Amino acid sequence: AQSVTQLGSHVSVSEGALVLLRCNYSSSVPPYLFWYVQYPNQGLQLLLKYTTGATLVKGINGFEAEFKKSETSFHLTKPSAHMSDAAEYFCAVSDADTNAGKSTFGDGTTLTVKP
Amino acid sequence: DVKVTQSSRYLVKRTGEKVFLECVQDMDHENMFWYRQDPGLGLRLIYFSYDVKMKEKGDIPEGYSVSREKKERFSLILESASTNQTSMYLCASRLGNSGNTIYFGEGSWLTVV
Repeated sequence: AQSVTQLGSHVSVSEGALVLLRCNYSSSVPPYLFWYVQYPNQGLQLLLKYTTGATLVKGINGFEAEFKKSETSFHLTKPSAHMSDAAEYFCAVSDADTNAGKSTFGDGTTLTVKP
Repeated sequence: DVKVTQSSRYLVKRTGEKVFLECVQDMDHENMFWYRQDPGLGLRLIYFSYDVKMKEKGDIPEGYSVSREKKERFSLILESASTNQTSMYLCASRLGNSGNTIYFGEGSWLTVV
């Protein structure tokens, strides 16, 4: 069974400050890991993902995440927050050994950016 | 670009009504999903389908059924709507294995009164 825990349902930062959104996962097999973003009244869209290879993954809009197997973590960071980053962020995990498998999503973290 | 289209953005239905939520994707994806999104609960999988006429239950299938008669179309059916099914419903699709990106529709807001 797989699961995802996002620490902090709400995170507030000032514009220009570091963004750190935390995600820990549980998986019995090597995982695929994802971060998705949801802007108001829209569906989710992919920010970045880790499947194999380099553990530091870069995504769109200046975001990146690092897969740390020993810590079972996949935290999302951005060096400098912009007002347009205000949205809800979801971490997700899939099992790498299933072809038609499902993904499990975390409960989401709402990011607020203060001017 | 992949397009996942949900036919209705906002619906209001009465308790006991049969409700159909329709979803179409234009990229020949094998896998399609229906999620329910509620505040503080994230996305919960209702059903998914990995091929035409194939379906598997997700985490919260009770009170729902699905239909996939054509590869591009995946329908969610509420046989007898109840107020606790008031929610945002998200359809999604994915090509091939679980390492690929899931593409989401814009969502259908359903209110059951």
